[in-house]
Amino acid sequence: GAVVSQHPSRVICKSGTSVKIECRSLDFQATTMFWYRQFPKQSLMLMATSNEGSKATYEQGVEKDKFLINHASLTLSTLTVTSAHPEDSSFYICSAAAGQRQETQYFGPGTRLLVL
Amino acid sequence: GNSVTQMEGPVTLSEEAFLTINCTYTATGYPSLFWYVQYPGEGLQLLLKATKADDKGSNKGFEATYRKETTSFHLEKGSVQVSDSAVYFCALDGGSQGNLIFGKGTKLSVKP
Repeated sequence: GAVVSQHPSRVICKSGTSVKIECRSLDFQATTMFWYRQFPKQSLMLMATSNEGSKATYEQGVEKDKFLINHASLTLSTLTVTSAHPEDSSFYICSAAAGQRQETQYFGPGTRLLVL
Repeated sequence: GNSVTQMEGPVTLSEEAFLTINCTYTATGYPSLFWYVQYPGEGLQLLLKATKADDKGSNKGFEATYRKETTSFHLEKGSVQVSDSAVYFCALDGGSQGNLIFGKGTKLSVKP
């Protein structure tokens, strides 16, 4: 099946710094990429939807200036957590879709962010 | 809004035991329903799906039936294996954007 990678898999940073997480579709072109966030023992919560070449659509309650999303190509989307704080510590998961059907959505392995 | 509730884990079973992971949903209309599995260190993978009432999704010995009357989509397997140890997520489609709405996940551990 299609492969989606995320980098880094784990990151620890100091409060106030910015962290960039990359999501790549390795063997297909992703017209849409989704960014999810998962707290311990909680559901994956959709943060934003990004389409290549256009601005991301953020879910209610997600600060677009804090969580910058760039979908510069059909194989790469980046999520930058700006001025990270301890409450931003979480598991961030991306998925990539080649079409509109949900079952064509492929997930990355996730990035564990710890802000000290 | 749409939501998914699945049973709390972790679930620990012996090999060849019967598995049920409960999932119920709240939704307007009749969304497609999914089960995803996440093996250690890997991304979520689609396990099975059902797109309309009374549909049964099945894959790798797992089954789930879309029950409109009980708004449920319980996951079952007759005889689990150690290799089935993973986290299982129930999900439904979130609408026109194509995103998914997930349950909290249920961790399954199968002991030999």
